Amino acid sequence: QVQLQQWGAGLLKPSETLSLTCVVYGGSLSGYYWTWIRQAPGKGLEWIGEINYGVSAFYNPSLKSRVTISLDTSKNQFSLNLSSLTAADTALYYCARRQWTSFAFDIWGHGTMVTVSS
Amino acid sequence: DIQMTQSPSSLSASVGDRVTITCRASQNIKSYLNWYQQKPGRAPNLLIYTASSLQSGVPSRFSGNGSGTDYTFTISSLRPEDFATYYCQQSYFTPRTFGQGTKVEIK
Repeated sequence: QVQLQQWGAGLLKPSETLSLTCVVYGGSLSGYYWTWIRQAPGKGLEWIGEINYGVSAFYNPSLKSRVTISLDTSKNQFSLNLSSLTAADTALYYCARRQWTSFAFDIWGHGTMVTVSS
Repeated sequence: DIQMTQSPSSLSASVGDRVTITCRASQNIKSYLNWYQQKPGRAPNLLIYTASSLQSGVPSRFSGNGSGTDYTFTISSLRPEDFATYYCQQSYFTPRTFGQGTKVEIK
């Protein structure tokens, strides 16, 4: 049973950089896309970007200048960095696995609430 | 970006009712359409992928249909545990985009 365990700082100041990590337990990084999705309070879901082992990362154009997603195969984990934070980045951040064939997000982390406030 | 328009945005229904939600994409997404259920305080849960395939372990009262730009999601007989928010999502184009959600509430 594959599980995603995520962690990172929950309270940040404007202009700081968000760093979140998601560890994959019970499965391999290869053969899937690894994704970050966020949900502002009371709002819908926004895809941030995804990365595949051996392939370039793909980012939402609305965030592309500020976001980096990376893989660490030695630790079986992937990470999100989002720079130049503003209050608009306050959200619940999820990591998720995207299937190669169905293209659906079939496994999700529990979410990390990130608040940007001075 | 591909716009995903769900309707209705909310509905009230009773246990045992048949519920249908629609999702329209702004371009042809070739059936790369998925449906998720989200309960308060929980991560979304995949129910249907590629428009009509039932995710493993999901009850058969959930179903999906559609092609091109127009898709539907149906709960054949609503159960108490089905009261939640449902999202459609397209995976054909980047950025991947979600509908705004449909909240299913108890009548």
